[in-house]
Amino acid sequence: AQSVSQHNHHVILSEAASLELGCNYSYGGTVNLFWYVQYPGQHLQLLLKYFSGDPLVKGIKGFEAEFIKSKFSFNLRKPSVQWSDTAEYFCAVHGSSNTGKLIFGQGTTLQVKP
Amino acid sequence: GAGVSQSPRYKVAKRGQDVALRCDPISGHVSLFWYQQALGQGPEFLTYFQNEAQLDKSGLPSDRFFAERPEGSVSTLKIQRTQQEDSAVYLCASSTTGGSGYTFGSGTRLTVV
Repeated sequence: AQSVSQHNHHVILSEAASLELGCNYSYGGTVNLFWYVQYPGQHLQLLLKYFSGDPLVKGIKGFEAEFIKSKFSFNLRKPSVQWSDTAEYFCAVHGSSNTGKLIFGQGTTLQVKP
Repeated sequence: GAGVSQSPRYKVAKRGQDVALRCDPISGHVSLFWYQQALGQGPEFLTYFQNEAQLDKSGLPSDRFFAERPEGSVSTLKIQRTQQEDSAVYLCASSTTGGSGYTFGSGTRLTVV
């Protein structure tokens, strides 16, 4: 069965620190990969996505993610976090043979201290 | 509308009651998904519609859960004889085509007491 694992459940950083959130997936075929963010009291929003091509994907608000096929990973990074990045982050995978459903990880809560 | 609209935002139901949750997708979006998000967990897939056709309902946890989208736009998720384990946030998402990135609604938080 397909699954997504996010290694860090709760991350606390100071402003300007660098961020890397881990995401590994298990799926043998072609995948589309996503990172979603949920700010407090708001709905899930797409940060970035990977379908094909350059494995380094740039998203909104300075986020990027790198798809490493050999490691089944799609880690999210940001060089310098801001207090406004405090949110919950979800990695998700869509398998090409699916009907379109996303498989989500458990989520990582990021708390940025001012 | 500009986004996916879900109603109600909050619902408290007594155990055994039936509930109906509504989703208004973005106009013209063919694909519509329902997800269930328990506290501290990521969203879990429930069911998928392409227009009015329910193409995948493999995630519905029991026959108490039923979803419909009769005219290919608004969708309703119905839960019969609610139980405490049904307490969760129910998310609706729509997209132009499945897999290309979805727009999520704000969800309905269901609490069964």
